[in-house]
Amino acid sequence: GAVVSQHPSRVICKSGTSVKIECRSLDFQATTMFWYRQFPKQSLMLMATSNEGSKATYEQGVEKDKFLINHASLTLSTLTVTSAHPEDSSFYICSARRGNQGYQETQYFGPGTRLLVL
Amino acid sequence: ELKVEQNPLFLSMQEGKNYTIYCNYSTTSDRLYWYRQDPGKSLESLFVLLSNGAVKQEGRLMASLDTKARLSTLHITAAVHDLSATYFCAALLLIQGAQKLVFGQGTRLTINP
Repeated sequence: GAVVSQHPSRVICKSGTSVKIECRSLDFQATTMFWYRQFPKQSLMLMATSNEGSKATYEQGVEKDKFLINHASLTLSTLTVTSAHPEDSSFYICSARRGNQGYQETQYFGPGTRLLVL
Repeated sequence: ELKVEQNPLFLSMQEGKNYTIYCNYSTTSDRLYWYRQDPGKSLESLFVLLSNGAVKQEGRLMASLDTKARLSTLHITAAVHDLSATYFCAALLLIQGAQKLVFGQGTRLTINP
């Protein structure tokens, strides 16, 4: 099966610092990657969709200058939380989709990154 | 409003009993997914349902899809403690010209010995 990895699995940082989270598709090429955020005991909320080589599409209410997404290759997308604040503490999950059949392809989810901002 | 709603949100049941989780979605969807999430973990894919009347079963879990009613169900048969987890349904919905996976609120299932 398709494998998606995330790094780091958890990170603690001070308020005001920036944190980068990597999402990799290990055994397939992902034309499209998705970033979700999950607050405790809540559902997953889509933050943005990124396509390789183009700008990410952000969901309403998600600040693109705060959550920088780079999808530089078919196997790697990064999410940078800039000037993180305690309210950004959350579980961030990426998902990757193969490219050859568009939305009909299954999304494969990474293991998630738990961010705690002090 | 485009949304996916699960019912119930919390479910506590005894081992050996049967129960059903319901998932309604608000607009036409090409496919419906069920996921399991254990505490502190990411999503584990359980089922993908692609067409009206689709039924899939894996062990004590069975999922079905009624696209006319925009309803999917996840049925648990003779529950065991190991099935305790949060279960999410997610529908692929067309939103502003793009297909997006929209998740339900999740059903927190606790199975007591």
